[in-house]
Amino acid sequence: NAGVTQTPKFQVLKTGQSMTLQCAQDMNHNSMYWYRQDPGMGLRLIYYSASEGTTDKGEVPNGYNVSRLNKREFSLRLESAAPSQTSVYFCASSEWGQGAYEQYFGPGTRLTVT
Amino acid sequence: GENVEQHPSTLSVQEGDSAVIKCTYSDSASNYFPWYKQELGKRPQLIIDIRSNVGEKKDQRIAVTLNKTAKHFSLHITETQPEDSAVYFCAASISNQFYFGTGTSLTVIP
Repeated sequence: NAGVTQTPKFQVLKTGQSMTLQCAQDMNHNSMYWYRQDPGMGLRLIYYSASEGTTDKGEVPNGYNVSRLNKREFSLRLESAAPSQTSVYFCASSEWGQGAYEQYFGPGTRLTVT
Repeated sequence: GENVEQHPSTLSVQEGDSAVIKCTYSDSASNYFPWYKQELGKRPQLIIDIRSNVGEKKDQRIAVTLNKTAKHFSLHITETQPEDSAVYFCAASISNQFYFGTGTSLTVIP
């Protein structure tokens, strides 16, 4: 049982390049989330998916797109990376709404945009 | 949307002393309040949580209190140990979304 996994662990992009961050969970959770973490800012929600087939914007969605590929996988895409997107990105999942609320986080992706 | 404020941003205590971290939230509809511990370079890990129908919860040296009227909740760590040194985040949850505080860096001095 791997929990929540993310790839890649580290990435360096040039301004304007695109990339997709991958996330998968094996806990059969309905809800999945993407956060970014910047120094002094805590975790801020980018997008979330309450269930397979649905996605919704969080606090800071600009410059990102997401895809809930199936119940297990939730990807985050940067179409044209900007230095302001340098951050650590965490994926999480939970069974929110089914009586259990705990979020489980992936190990994170450290992204640098130059 | 929900706004969560967390204080203090840094906290240093002597080993064996208690540490208290406080958070306030703005939306009275929030109904779940988790606390996470994050060590350097690691993912956030849930250490304790409380639901809106409970006023206090304790797990060994860690306790959380919730005051729904005042919209604030606190984390209490007793008999602190050096391994408690980390960044702690509070969060409030409403409608499947989680809103985090900005974190408290706790240092326990041996």
